[in-house]
Amino acid sequence: AQSVSQHNHHVILSEAASLELGCNYSYGGTVNLFWYVQYPGQHLQLLLKYFSGDPLVKGIKGFEAEFIKSKFSFNLRKPSVQWSDTAEYFCAVSPQGGYQKVTFGTGTKLQVIP
Amino acid sequence: GAVVSQHPSRVICKSGTSVKIECRSLDFQATTMFWYRQFPKQSLMLMATSNEGSKATYEQGVEKDKFLINHASLTLSTLTVTSAHPEDSSFYICSATPGQKGNEQFFGPGTRLTVL
Repeated sequence: AQSVSQHNHHVILSEAASLELGCNYSYGGTVNLFWYVQYPGQHLQLLLKYFSGDPLVKGIKGFEAEFIKSKFSFNLRKPSVQWSDTAEYFCAVSPQGGYQKVTFGTGTKLQVIP
Repeated sequence: GAVVSQHPSRVICKSGTSVKIECRSLDFQATTMFWYRQFPKQSLMLMATSNEGSKATYEQGVEKDKFLINHASLTLSTLTVTSAHPEDSSFYICSATPGQKGNEQFFGPGTRLTVL
């Protein structure tokens, strides 16, 4: 079975600072990788996803993530955060093929200070 | 597109009663829907996978007789918490996949259940 670990539980940044949230997964085969975001009072929504191809994936709102297969990592980055990026971020993984179960990490709460 | 709704958004009930939560895909057909439970400051824990027209597949440790799941159509799945107890109080979230490559799921807004 797959597992996901997010190392940062709570991150506080000032506006314009750069962001990198760590995500590592464990699974023996090929995977699909996701980052979801949950803004305060709102439901989960997809930020970006990786299925195959270019390991550098660009998502909405200036976010990107890089899949490094050798490190089993899929870290999320943004060069300059805004106050509106304050939210909880979840990394998720599923094995490729069919309707495979998606496993979520424990989430990272990002607080951006104006 | 790809909107998922849940009803109710919040419910308070007495211990021993049953509560039904609905999950609807509004603008797509969802062959598979998922039910999650989210505890405070924790991640989403998958409870069960629901396929239209067949029995749900429950995760280990989830009581299928307590959490009844019905996926009667391609746009509706229901979760019934039977004989609810205070420890069942939680945030229940559903998601649905339209069956595209990659298992992308679209999430509902969640239902806050409080059992007194």
